[in-house]
This record gives sequence, structure tokens and C-alpha cells, in this order.
Amino acid sequence: DGGITQSPKYLFRKEGQNVTLSCEQNLNHDAMYWYRQDPGQGLRLIYYSQIVNDFQKGDIAEGYSVSREKKESFPLTVTSAQKNPTAFYLCASKDRGHSGANVLTFGAGSRLTVL
Amino acid sequence: AQSVTQLDSHVSVSEGTPVLLRCNYSSSYSPSLFWYVQHPNKGLQLLLKYTSAATLVKGINGFEAEFKKSETSFHLTKPSAHMSDAAEYFCVVSGNAGNMLTFGGGTRLMVKP
Repeated sequence: DGGITQSPKYLFRKEGQNVTLSCEQNLNHDAMYWYRQDPGQGLRLIYYSQIVNDFQKGDIAEGYSVSREKKESFPLTVTSAQKNPTAFYLCASKDRGHSGANVLTFGAGSRLTVL
Repeated sequence: AQSVTQLDSHVSVSEGTPVLLRCNYSSSYSPSLFWYVQHPNKGLQLLLKYTSAATLVKGINGFEAEFKKSETSFHLTKPSAHMSDAAEYFCVVSGNAGNMLTFGGGTRLMVKP
């Protein structure tokens, strides 16, 4: 079945460490997104990529970095510069060929806790 | 600019009674509107979407929503709540030139037996 796989599901990090969250999709979607979710705040866009080797900052990109070397992969690195990284991180993708529908498919999320 | 406001952060209903989750939006363009559902520690799943066709949209699991342009609303309803409906629900608008999505803050639905 096609879908989005995020790993790890749970991750603990010490302050000052960088961590990388994996996101892989086999939907052949062009666009991929990273969102951060905090209680009561909905989803906030961190980074997005509409095509391989290209990505743009979202609303809260500071302290994060991404790469898009392959169509199916869009890893997110949470750097030590991110002041409050404890959150639930969601990866999503969209087929640009159906832009009229503009429907996102989500992964199951990764919960990062900083100790 | 676009924005979306979910008017209730928490809604509690009894099983078998109607559900109403309220959403208001603003958009400079003709918007597309969506409702997503999220069960605990899971990703989001699309319930339904409005994309300028019929104003009453039917989704999965018996949910529906009505687009009311004059009221800038897109409220989600279900005639009879089930225990499995307990989850968080997000209203989402897409109406800008870049087709970017803006999420509401979410409404947590609790269903009492």
C-alpha cells in the first residue's frame, strides 16, 4: 500500500544534540512538507519542497534544516539552535498534478522529547 | 492573507447525539476548505473537502460540512456521535496564490457513553 513512513516514532534527545527525523513516501508525490504540532496550536509549517533539490522555509524554519535529494525522501534535522524542540512532528506529501484538490497525505508522526 | 478559526477548543457530546464543530475562515481568494481528523499519536486523515462544487459536502464516517460564503463558515456535523469519533479535528483553508494550507487550532471531540 502507498503511504508515508516516518521514523522514529519516539525520540529522546539531550540538549545541544542535533537529531534527524526520517520521512519516506512511495506515493510518487512531488511536494513534501514538515509540520510541527504543539497542544492547542494546530499545525505550523516548518519547511516544504515542491520538487527534488529545492525547498522553501515555512513559518517556523529557525533551528531546522532539510534536504530533498530524492523524490521519495525529505528528512528533517532539528538542530541545537531550536530553542524548544519538544513537539510532535508530522510529514506530509501532495501530488502537484492534482493541485485543484490540494489534499495532503500525512505520516503517523514522530514525537521528539528533549531531556 | 488567509486564516481559520475553530471556535471551540473542546466539545463534549453523549454517544448517539448530534455533533457540531464550528469553523470560520477568511481568504482573499475563492477558498478550498478541508476537515481532517487526528486520533491520538497518529497522523491526520482527510474527512472531507470543499472545492467550489456543491456547498454541502459529505465525507467519511457519516460526517458532512456546509460551505456558507455569506457567513464565512464551514461547520462540521454528524447526526449521531459514536465512541470512535473521539479525536481531534482540524479545519483547514487553502485560498492563496501558492495553494498553501492554513490550519485551525483544532477541536478536541469527547464522546461520553
